[in-house]
This record gives sequence, C-alpha cells and structure tokens, in this order.
Amino acid sequence: KQEVTQIPAALSVPEGENLVLNCSFTDSAIYNLQWFRQDPGKGLTSLLLIQSSQREQTSGRLNASLDKSSGRSTLYIAASQPGDSATYLCAVPSYNTDKLIFGTGTRLQVFP
Amino acid sequence: SQTIHQWPATLVQPVGSPLSLECTVEGTSNPNLYWYRQAAGRGLQLLFYSVGIGQISSEVPQNLSASRPQDRQFILSSKKLLLSDSGFYLCAWTFWTGLGETQYFGPGTRLLVL
Repeated sequence: KQEVTQIPAALSVPEGENLVLNCSFTDSAIYNLQWFRQDPGKGLTSLLLIQSSQREQTSGRLNASLDKSSGRSTLYIAASQPGDSATYLCAVPSYNTDKLIFGTGTRLQVFP
Repeated sequence: SQTIHQWPATLVQPVGSPLSLECTVEGTSNPNLYWYRQAAGRGLQLLFYSVGIGQISSEVPQNLSASRPQDRQFILSSKKLLLSDSGFYLCAWTFWTGLGETQYFGPGTRLLVL
C-alpha cells in the first residue's frame, strides 16, 4: 500500500531564504508526482507535475525534483516571499489509476 | 474554461442532522469526479470517486454516501451526521495537462458538526 510522507510538518523562515520541502513515497511504481499548494480554508492549486521519466520540473521560483528509485521528491522554493505562506502537499496516483494519495503536507510560513 | 463549484462554502450542523454538499463542474464532459475530506491536522483522504453517472466507488467505510445524478454534478450526503464528520470537504476532477493527468480542486466546504 502506497504511503506518502512529508517532512517537515511545519516550517517558518524569514523572507528571502531558499528552502526545500521533502516528500517520500513507499512504492516507487508511480507514473507521476504532483505538488500542490493549499491556502488556509481553500482548495488546492496544482503547482508542478513531474512525469516518472523526468527528474525535475521548474515553474518560476519553484523547482521540483523526483528520484523514483529512492522514493523521494523535493520542492525547492527560491527567494521565499510572505506570499508563499501556505500548506504544500505532494501526491502520487494509486497504481494504474488517477486517484491521488496525498502526503500530510508541510505548513510553510514566510515572515517579513 | 473549466471551473468547479462547491456549495455551501461553510456549514454548521448539529449531530444527527442530514447533510448534502454539492459539486458541479463546467467546461468539460464525462469527468472523473472525487470527494476528499481533510480533517483538522490530517492529510487529504479520498472518500468517493465517480467515473460516470450513477457510478460511485467508496474508498473508506463511513457515515457518508455520494451520488452522481448528472454528468457534471457530484453530491455528498449523510442521513445523520457524526461529530467525526467535521472537516474540510474538497471536490476534484481529473484533466489532462499534456504532461500527464492532474486534479483540479474546488474551493471546498468547511463543515462543523456540533
């Protein structure tokens, strides 16, 4: 059974820092991995999707990497801003379906 | 463009009362639809998914049920709410981005059962 873990659970950093969020999954037989952002009390927004054949994806200040063999993905946020404050979730599809299994998330706070 | 609506945005209900949460999708046809719940301090849990009208699959045994009376309508219901049903309920549908399938989420409904 696929399990997805995210560390740290919470992170508080000053504005301008570069930071890394970690995601681990137990079953490496995935065909993609996604990172989402959730603002308090709101739905999820897809940030990046990495196919299993890719090693990384970039969007603006965000860079996500994927190492299937070790069951890990990282989300790198460069030059963090207060507007980046949110909960970040990674998710992988269950085997051969599009149902997503989510990690518990990392709650990020970037203070001025 | 595709959009997904959920209502109500917030709901406070007494224990034992019924529940009906609605999700509708615009701009697509025959979507796969999902209901997730996010309990306080916990991750997202998939409750139900549907691949078509009248087709519902339940992921976890619980006090809730789901129905899909129309192609772009997905309803989450309960006959008698429990305290443990409190949480944030998200509806989602799957679409193809070109890089792969992803899910687009609605704004969510916050349910508090007292």
